[in-house]
Amino acid sequence: DSGVTQTPKHLITATGQRVTLRCSPRSGDLSVYWYQQSLDQGLQFLIQYYNGEERAKGNILERFSAQQFPDLHSELNLSSLELGDSALYFCASSVGDGRAADTQYFGPGTRLTVL
Amino acid sequence: AQKITQTQPGMFVQEKEAVTLDCTYDTSDQSYGLFWYKQPSSGEMIFLIYQGSYDEQNATEGRYSLNFQKARKSANLVISASQLGDSAMYFCAMREANFGNEKLTFGTGTRLTIIP
Repeated sequence: DSGVTQTPKHLITATGQRVTLRCSPRSGDLSVYWYQQSLDQGLQFLIQYYNGEERAKGNILERFSAQQFPDLHSELNLSSLELGDSALYFCASSVGDGRAADTQYFGPGTRLTVL
Repeated sequence: AQKITQTQPGMFVQEKEAVTLDCTYDTSDQSYGLFWYKQPSSGEMIFLIYQGSYDEQNATEGRYSLNFQKARKSANLVISASQLGDSAMYFCAMREANFGNEKLTFGTGTRLTIIP
């Protein structure tokens, strides 16, 4: 158990809908990262938050947004869903001190299926 | 830009044998970290081992060791005495050591199957 929790574990929805994925980081970690894993794109970095503020953005679509709350949990909002958004979405957390050794620990993931 | 290459899509290894999973990387930074993660069929990503670019010794964690050759830009994972539970996808990843660019860049992974 990495100490990072994600809910829900599975999510099935229809095209055009909106969903929210939730993540709670490990105790003491200030940084939260979101990654998307799909068969065609592999593991892709979406966005990072540090202590409530956005720190870095990756290949995140405009239909997707995220935030980190004062208690440090984070939510990833996916809207106007398309079939191609079906993927495994991971949240990871780390201390966030910028060191190369700052290991990211991953949650169990949320498997999103868009029908 | 950072890039990670894993050239072995799949490997089959006899139980109790050692196995080496290849990883090469490309970066222009001097300070960076290299990581290996394991993804079993259940889907979670499990951190295995870390190697820093300035570390002079190869990292070891139990049965896992990292064969770090900086000049060749390679960071191969060695698993000794393989077990059936080692069957999984293995990902090599890299990150730079600076604020605002802390993302992990992943390779495409190697699917390891341990044969009894």
